[in-house]
Amino acid sequence: ETGVTQSPTHLIKTRGQQVTLRCSSQSGHNTVSWYQQALGQGPQFIFQYYREEENGRGNFPPRFSGLQFPNYSSELNVNALELDDSALYLCASSWTSGAFYNEQFFGPGTRLTVL
Amino acid sequence: GENVEQHPSTLSVQEGDSAVIKCTYSDSASNYFPWYKQELGKRPQLIIDIRSNVGEKKDQRIAVTLNKTAKHFSLHITETQPEDSAVYFCAASFPGANNLFFGTGTRLTVIP
Repeated sequence: ETGVTQSPTHLIKTRGQQVTLRCSSQSGHNTVSWYQQALGQGPQFIFQYYREEENGRGNFPPRFSGLQFPNYSSELNVNALELDDSALYLCASSWTSGAFYNEQFFGPGTRLTVL
Repeated sequence: GENVEQHPSTLSVQEGDSAVIKCTYSDSASNYFPWYKQELGKRPQLIIDIRSNVGEKKDQRIAVTLNKTAKHFSLHITETQPEDSAVYFCAASFPGANNLFFGTGTRLTVIP
């Protein structure tokens, strides 16, 4: 198992509400990426945080936002929840150094259900 | 951006047989190609990866091949076992992106 943790494990919300998901990165890692995995699909890149700043974003609307803290943990916030936001949200931590790609270690995910 | 296609979507094999899963990618700049195994309700776990400077990599019963000219890469599992049953995802990344572009997954079932 990786050292990446996420909370909560499961969450149920209603349309229009807001949600905050949390991720603690693996020790020694400085980068956190967030992915959305709909049922039966591959993970889709939402955004990445490196040194507390957004460092790349996928095709997701602005109501998906995030933060990274000095200890490299991260939050994903989703406003005005829609039914299609129901998915498994995965965070992945890695070490970024220059342009060399380093392995991403995934957390267990948060299962979000929007009713 | 990068687009990764994966085939087949489902694959059933008899225990002991081989399984092959194929992926194609669109961006010729992509240079890192990992494969993840995801069991039901669990996180994706890296099982093998390959970089664009090599054409093949093997780790026990698992191997990955890469054809940069054709922009496709494949996962080969030999002597399959029931515990190999899971969903397998291919992915690609290019320099500077540091994020992964995933395929749609292959559900592998190994029949005892």
